[in-house]
Amino acid sequence: NAGVTQTPKFQVLKTGQSMTLQCAQDMNHNSMYWYRQDPGMGLRLIYYSASEGTTDKGEVPNGYNVSRLNKREFSLRLESAAPSQTSVYFCASSEWGGEYGYTFGSGTRLTVV
Amino acid sequence: EDKVVQSPLSLVVHEGDTVTLNCSYEVTNFRSLLWYKQEKKAPTFLFMLTSSGIEKKSGRLSSILDKKELFSILNITATQTGDSAVYLCAVKTGATGNQFYFGTGTSLTVIP
Repeated sequence: NAGVTQTPKFQVLKTGQSMTLQCAQDMNHNSMYWYRQDPGMGLRLIYYSASEGTTDKGEVPNGYNVSRLNKREFSLRLESAAPSQTSVYFCASSEWGGEYGYTFGSGTRLTVV
Repeated sequence: EDKVVQSPLSLVVHEGDTVTLNCSYEVTNFRSLLWYKQEKKAPTFLFMLTSSGIEKKSGRLSSILDKKELFSILNITATQTGDSAVYLCAVKTGATGNQFYFGTGTSLTVIP
């Protein structure tokens, strides 16, 4: 099925460990995004990539890095995980400007202990 | 600072009731407002609104935008248990590229 695929779905890390969240879309969208969702905070943008070859910081980029590997793939890396990064992470993609909304992946539930 | 505020935070109704969810915003360079429904996993797109006073409808759901008073409402008539979800409002601004500011959502529970 066409859409946005995220892996893994669940992950538990120890403080200080690193990991990469993978995201791929097959809708030929230009723009891709990483959000985190915390109780009472809504969805907050971490990083986005308006097009292949570009990335920009969002609202809460500290502690994260991203790579837009090609048009399909956009990964999020935690270099040294902290308990404050315990959250549900969503990848999304859109056409230029996202005027017609995003298509979201199914999310990754990350717990840092 | 741009912000999007949704109310109420949570709502419990009986099947058949009509509900109105609110989204107010204070942003620079408003472009559009979107509503999403989030059940257990990823948010799914409901409506996009760009012009004041034009109602968007999809079945029992409808939404309207007031750009003068800076808010939008989402109405659900004849609610069903399948409407139970978190409803998210997101506002796109032109100031910072292709990103939206999301509200914290309204959690709707419909009981039989």
